[in-house]
Amino acid sequence: GEDVEQSLFLSVREGDSSVINCTYTDSSSTYLYWYKQEPGAGLQLLTYIFSNMDMKQDQRLTVLLNKKDKHLSLRIADTQTGDSAIYFCAESYTGKLIFGQGTTLQVKP
Amino acid sequence: DVKVTQSSRYLVKRTGEKVFLECVQDMDHENMFWYRQDPGLGLRLIYFSYDVKMKEKGDIPEGYSVSREKKERFSLILESASTNQTSMYLCASSLEAVYSNYGYTFGSGTRLTVV
Repeated sequence: GEDVEQSLFLSVREGDSSVINCTYTDSSSTYLYWYKQEPGAGLQLLTYIFSNMDMKQDQRLTVLLNKKDKHLSLRIADTQTGDSAIYFCAESYTGKLIFGQGTTLQVKP
Repeated sequence: DVKVTQSSRYLVKRTGEKVFLECVQDMDHENMFWYRQDPGLGLRLIYFSYDVKMKEKGDIPEGYSVSREKKERFSLILESASTNQTSMYLCASSLEAVYSNYGYTFGSGTRLTVV
């Protein structure tokens, strides 16, 4: 079946850039998403990218999409302690979203 | 502000009990979903519904059922709770056009412990 893979953990220092990577399998996905989950909360849509785009920038967030390699990344510039959370990538497949395992981002002061 | 509300944040139930998890959305969304979230496994889809009284199995439906009698409410039922159903349960909803930039709106989750 369809699969989305992420590394489980990333630790960075405050002020550094964070890069969270994701690979997916369905080449027909129309949209790819990044969600953020803060402790004790549900998931919030952080950003998304349409499949005909290579890059999308939204303030401190940059999403890069490599369709050939089916690779998606989320870059957070000037990472703050408030960015500490679990980040999920997701692809759309036959009307459903398929999520990765989630990457826990730890930001050290 | 649009919302997906899950009735309980924390639940503790005994093995063998019938458990109801309720989810209500106020956005007039057609689609509703139930996921469970476990560390290292991400979100796994249990059931979803595209319309009232319609339901579709997700990836892990065994031991669960659902009910959607009204558009705004989607209930997840554990027919006979077992300890391996201890998990965080997340409800979500979306507009009819799933391939959209809106994605899903999630509730805050229900952490269920079965003892």
